Amino acid sequence: QKEVEQNSGPLSVPEGAIASLNCTYSDRGSQSFFWYRQYSGKSPELIMSIYSNGDKEDGRFTAQLNKASQYVSLLIRDSQPSDSATYLCAVNVGGSQGNLIFGKGTKLSVKP
Amino acid sequence: DAGVTQSPTHLIKTRGQQVTLRCSPKSGHDTVSWYQQALGQGPQFIFQYYEEEERQRGNFPDRFSGHQFPNYSSELNVNALLLGDSALYLCASSFKGTGMGETQYFGPGTRLLVL
Repeated sequence: QKEVEQNSGPLSVPEGAIASLNCTYSDRGSQSFFWYRQYSGKSPELIMSIYSNGDKEDGRFTAQLNKASQYVSLLIRDSQPSDSATYLCAVNVGGSQGNLIFGKGTKLSVKP
Repeated sequence: DAGVTQSPTHLIKTRGQQVTLRCSPKSGHDTVSWYQQALGQGPQFIFQYYEEEERQRGNFPDRFSGHQFPNYSSELNVNALLLGDSALYLCASSFKGTGMGETQYFGPGTRLLVL
């Protein structure tokens, strides 16, 4: 059974702080990793994709991938109250024809 | 550039009924995947359509079926509805030509309530 694990939270950080969201996955053959943001009552919105070990930065967001440890993380710098949402980690299984396996999501709350 | 669209936005059905949900992919995309998201859970993969055929299927019963049309739009059909089918149904579109695990973009979803 291929699984993606996330801490459900809630994770609470003050405005301006760094939020760190973590995810582990079970399928060692996975090659594509995604972070989605989901506001309450809305659908998931893509934030980042990462395919290679190391860091990938996009604005205030940095995704980190360590395939040896089967670990993906998302850092949000200068967190804003508008970042308050559930963050979903997704792993593409089965290569380019695969489907996405999602974690249950981590709920982030950024306090003003 | 139109994103992924889904209809209807909300739906109320009773147990035993049948429902059809519709999805139009993002412009330039050729693959449609369907997911079910229960409250407080991550989306669960139902199936994926490419070239009008079901290519992959998750752990869902045969009551869940689908179709993809030549214009890449797709339908999800659920027969003999159960209370447990109440969920947010998400359509995601992607382009299969990239070679890597294609990035999936989600539509706004259809919220189904079964009474």
